[in-house]
Amino acid sequence: SYELTQPLSVSVALGQTAKITCGGNNIGGKNVHWHQQKSGQAPVLLIYRDRNRPSGIPERFSGSNSGNTATLTISRVQAGDEADYYCQVWDSCVVFGGGTKLTVL
Amino acid sequence: QLQLQESGPGLVKPSETLSLTCTVSGASISSSSYCWGWIRQPPGKGPEWIGSFDYSGNTYHNPSLKNRVAISVDTSKNQFSLKLSSVTAADTAVFYCARHFGSVQLEVDYWGQGTPVTVSS
Repeated sequence: SYELTQPLSVSVALGQTAKITCGGNNIGGKNVHWHQQKSGQAPVLLIYRDRNRPSGIPERFSGSNSGNTATLTISRVQAGDEADYYCQVWDSCVVFGGGTKLTVL
Repeated sequence: QLQLQESGPGLVKPSETLSLTCTVSGASISSSSYCWGWIRQPPGKGPEWIGSFDYSGNTYHNPSLKNRVAISVDTSKNQFSLKLSSVTAADTAVFYCARHFGSVQLEVDYWGQGTPVTVSS
């Protein structure tokens, strides 16, 4: 079965840029989606099909995907961005990464 | 505005069948524009897809759950349901109903608020 690998945690200073990676075999050939889950809440779609933002998602959130790594970039990080972030792909079934906890210092 | 609301027992005994229903408002589950399904999230872990269906009645299941999953649809009530049989403590999780944009191969674009289910005697 297809596996997605995310770092368990990423820490970033307030106002700086955070990068969260999602690794998978030839993931660049797949559509990657990103979800944000704040504590005690349901996940929310953040980025779809590698780099697209649903309406209402700030431009500070962006995505890229190439080779074996997809990346979620959060610019000008705010305290409210503290959350768990999950990548999602399709590989004969829906697959989620294990999640990355973003801590804002 | 789209709303997905899960309902069902919060406690299920081991070896029994877990049953949940998702009531959808703000969109039709018969629409060809979307697929609908179930996702669970064990405590402290990432989401795990359970299964989904499309407007044609095609269903898709996570092979890791083998034959324990059944998804049914009631278009008259705009609801769909999940049955997960032979549950064990490992099935304890928050269960979400969700929508995929377009096909099951595309993004989950809306999640319900989730309902916690504990498997315990």
